[in-house]
Amino acid sequence: AQSVSQHNHHVILSEAASLELGCNYSYGGTVNLFWYVQYPGQHLQLLLKYFSGDPLVKGIKGFEAEFIKSKFSFNLRKPSVQWSDTAEYFCAVRNQGGKLIFGQGTELSVKP
Amino acid sequence: EAGVAQSPRYKIIEKRQSVAFWCNPISGHATLYWYQQILGQGPKLLIQFQNNGVVDDSQLPKDRFSAERLKGVDSTLKIQPAKLEDSAVYLCASSFGTNGEQFFGPGTRLTVL
Repeated sequence: AQSVSQHNHHVILSEAASLELGCNYSYGGTVNLFWYVQYPGQHLQLLLKYFSGDPLVKGIKGFEAEFIKSKFSFNLRKPSVQWSDTAEYFCAVRNQGGKLIFGQGTELSVKP
Repeated sequence: EAGVAQSPRYKIIEKRQSVAFWCNPISGHATLYWYQQILGQGPKLLIQFQNNGVVDDSQLPKDRFSAERLKGVDSTLKIQPAKLEDSAVYLCASSFGTNGEQFFGPGTRLTVL
């Protein structure tokens, strides 16, 4: 069965620290990859996505993610986090069948 | 542009009772999804509609869960009877097509006592 694994359940950083959230998936075929974010009290919303082409994709609010096919990974990065980045982050994979499969989420807490 | 609407936002029931959730997708979105998100986990797809037809309900516990989208617009998800393990947030999402970006509603937080 396909699955998505996020390496950390809870990450705590100070403002201006660099962020990297790990995501690995198990699926050998063509996939679309996503990072979603849920800010406190808000809806789940799309942060960035990868369909094809340049494996380094840029999203909103300075986030980027790199698709490494050989490692089945799609890690999320941000050079310098802000207090407003405090949220829960979900990695998701969509296979050719169209189903979106989510990881378990990583809660990010940024200390001011 | 109005987003995906869901109601109620919160619901507390006792086990063996029934409950229903409502979702109104973004206007023009043909594809509608219901997800279950248990605390500490990511959302899990329960059912996907394309207009008023079911595309995927492989993970819907059909002995107690049912969903419909009769006119191809809004949708209801019902649980009858509820179990303790059904406590979760139920998310509705919609997209223009089956491979389009999914837009999520605020969810309904269900607590089963």
